[in-house]
Amino acid sequence: DAKTTQPTSMDCAEGRAANLPCNHSTISGNEYVYWYRQIHSQGPQYIIHGLKNNETNEMASLIITEDRKSSTLILPHATLRDTAVYYCIVRVITGANSKLTFGKGITLSVRP
Amino acid sequence: GAVVSQHPSWVICKSGTSVKIECRSLDFQATTMFWYRQFPKQSLMLMATSNEGSKATYEQGVEKDKFLINHASLTLSTLTVTSAHPEDSSFYICSARIYAISGTQYFGPGTRLLVL
Repeated sequence: DAKTTQPTSMDCAEGRAANLPCNHSTISGNEYVYWYRQIHSQGPQYIIHGLKNNETNEMASLIITEDRKSSTLILPHATLRDTAVYYCIVRVITGANSKLTFGKGITLSVRP
Repeated sequence: GAVVSQHPSWVICKSGTSVKIECRSLDFQATTMFWYRQFPKQSLMLMATSNEGSKATYEQGVEKDKFLINHASLTLSTLTVTSAHPEDSSFYICSARIYAISGTQYFGPGTRLLVL
């Protein structure tokens, strides 16, 4: 699977949008972009995934650039409970190599 | 939907004993389950991938005789840490992939193991 690059940390104010960037310049055509988050001492939580179109669900929006070399996860109205480590992962969706490999992620701190 | 449970949530054991951790997919069938380990302030490390009814595939550096994985049904996988030692103390997290629908993996809440 392609590797991803994320900043180490960022913060944002409660109620504002949090935009979390991710670079995946070596992504292959059959690899999806997945986002998970891990709140302290819990298992990772699935947020969203996409291939090339922008995606939105009740938790977040995923914006993927046209060349697919980078993406941004948007939490539209961050709350204190969104403080967590966010992981951007690229992987093929099926087959023997379709396992999630976690990097260091980005620590998002939401301040009151 | 897509709930994964783990039991126990935490366990303390003496060095040399074996510990079994259960992972269940509660509302879906999972042909593939994964086991991860996470040390403090580190990211998750994949230990092994298990497919229902077949032997697990272990990642490089993970001792298969020490970490026994059984995936006997589409909703249950177990990880047994045999002859546990203090260095095995860690946060163990399982994950299950929804059967035949998508490749999305859902994670359990984790099991914290402390070996004295």
